Order: sequence, then C-alpha cells, then structure tokens
Amino acid sequence: KAGVTQTPRYLIKTRGQQVTLSCSPISGHRSVSWYQQTPGQGLQFLFEYFSETQRNKGNFPGRFSGRQFSNSRSEMNVSTLELGDSALYLCASSFNGEGYTFGSGTRLTVV
Amino acid sequence: AQKITQTQPGMFVQEKEAVTLDCTYDTSDQSYGLFWYKQPSSGEMIFLIYQGSYDEQNATEGRYSLNFQKARKSANLVISASQLGDSAMYFCAMSFYTGANSKLTFGKGITLSVRP
Repeated sequence: KAGVTQTPRYLIKTRGQQVTLSCSPISGHRSVSWYQQTPGQGLQFLFEYFSETQRNKGNFPGRFSGRQFSNSRSEMNVSTLELGDSALYLCASSFNGEGYTFGSGTRLTVV
Repeated sequence: AQKITQTQPGMFVQEKEAVTLDCTYDTSDQSYGLFWYKQPSSGEMIFLIYQGSYDEQNATEGRYSLNFQKARKSANLVISASQLGDSAMYFCAMSFYTGANSKLTFGKGITLSVRP
C-alpha cells in the first residue's frame, strides 16, 4: 500500500513570504502529525490532526498552522517566514498511536 | 513531561559486528510506547522497532532488537551483524497511549558509522 506522501520535497522561499506544505497519510490512517527538524533544536512536535480536528499542539508561534481535510490529507502553513524556519518538515500518519509512519519530508530553505 | 536522552554523540562499528545504541527515558505515565527510527542522509524517518510499556518480551525485528529495562527506564537498540547501509542517524522516541494525545517525543539522535 502507498506510504505517506509529502509535497513538495524541496522549497526555497524568501523571508516574509508564506508557504504551504502537504501530507497525504496512509489510506485508513486518520491521525496526521507534523514535526520540525533543525540541527539546533532536533525534532520538535508541531501539531496533530485527527478526523479534521487539531487534537494536540506543540510550542510554536501562531504563524504555524495546519488543517486536515475529510480525506485525511493535511496541510501545514507557515506565514511571514523567518530565516529560522529553515528546516526539514516531517509528517507522520498513524492509525492508533502505536505506530507512526513518516513521509520523506519537505526541506524548506528561507533566504 | 516525557523526556528521551541519547548521550552517545557518535558511534563507530565494524561491518558484521553488533552495536548497541543507548536510550533512557523519563515519564510518570504507566502506559507508553517506545520507538526507534533510522534517518539516512536523505531525511526520511524509517521505523525500525516498537516496544509497548506492558510488553514483557523484548521486541525484535530482523537484525534489530530492543533491550527494554523498565525499572531502569532504558530502551537500548541492538543491531546485529552491522551492514554498511546501517550508517545513519538513529532516534529513540516515546509516545503516550491516550487517544487524546498522540505525539512522539524524540531524543537528540545518535550518528552510527559502519566501517568496512
């Protein structure tokens, strides 16, 4: 069966712009969570969506937002980009919280 | 709050030998899950092995086994017969079991280099 698909794989944006990243989970998985990975901070939890509702949120400013659609696909949006937002953004899908499958990630560079 | 500690900054192992990657955790919850992931330079997080807090047997998946010592709060990953393709970053992670709180807390990771 198809894995978790994240698009795009690479992205270069300018400070002040906004960006939208997409994640399609494994078929049947209703939970989608997002993580930011940077060399300095490591892997940090952004938020989790389950059945179109945000169920959990990490410690990130309001510029980071997300949503989930009825087909479980999720998007995350970062507005007013800062240089520090440059990171690998990983999405994970889960059926029951006992297994998380990750996508290949989106590498965002802010210049 | 949950915390995962991985203190080994980098590990080297000879091809075909076994290696142990250390992970300790801290939580006051009784019900939790422990995971190990491999991250090659491409960036993808590859699931390796899972251990539930109530599982009495240590988890095994092919060449990977998890040495789970609940009283010591450790969950070390053992890779047997190392291969060159095992060179990567390895992350230990923990999750809660409650349906209303589903997230992974990661350690800082360990770099493993396999020498031919």
